[in-house]
Amino acid sequence: QKEVEQDPGPLSVPEGAIVSLNCTYSNSAFQYFMWYRQYSRKGPELLMYTYSSGNKEDGRFTAQVDKSSKYISLFIRDSQPSDSATYLCAMRENYGGSQGNLIFGKGTKLSVKP
Amino acid sequence: DSGVTQTPKHLITATGQRVTLRCSPRSGDLSVYWYQQSLDQGLQFLIQYYNGEERAKGNILERFSAQQFPDLHSELNLSSLELGDSALYFCASARGGQNSGNTIYFGEGSWLTVV
Repeated sequence: QKEVEQDPGPLSVPEGAIVSLNCTYSNSAFQYFMWYRQYSRKGPELLMYTYSSGNKEDGRFTAQVDKSSKYISLFIRDSQPSDSATYLCAMRENYGGSQGNLIFGKGTKLSVKP
Repeated sequence: DSGVTQTPKHLITATGQRVTLRCSPRSGDLSVYWYQQSLDQGLQFLIQYYNGEERAKGNILERFSAQQFPDLHSELNLSSLELGDSALYFCASARGGQNSGNTIYFGEGSWLTVV
């Protein structure tokens, strides 16, 4: 079982739809959870990060972490064609040692149609 | 623009050859990370340097090596290249070491094709 599982999609939605992207993980020691957006042939850029469980909202984006279920989500409201990209979840353990580095999901490719 | 600069952007080389990828981190960032991204494996952590010293190693092959220079730029050396090494190689940088915050900034990547 991989440490981080993410449905690769592709996911196609109409403009204005609510998008739900998800990751599951197996390592209960993960404490920091991030979502990166990657446009084609570009480097990933950080969208949001959350510590431990809970919700975090930033504009049209909401990140949720459920540590009891080892499940994280990213919701995009009022999706726009410019949101079309690959979304990668990433997570890491708390401080110290090599565990400090991020483990990425494989990414979900999202296409928002006008 | 993340501020992380990688060269070259594209590289085509033959099997058995050796290449060097170069990375300049964001101004003030002391940590440099190297990642490999392929279609089947996703984004894989290779190695991290902090202020010139190796800090963490991931899934880096013995044929690959890296270093970080006093001016903080970093190079990733890939030798005895195989077809399976074809991938997008990303450099990322962060202000601190492993115990710092979570924001790492990625460069645009170096696309390596081995033929």
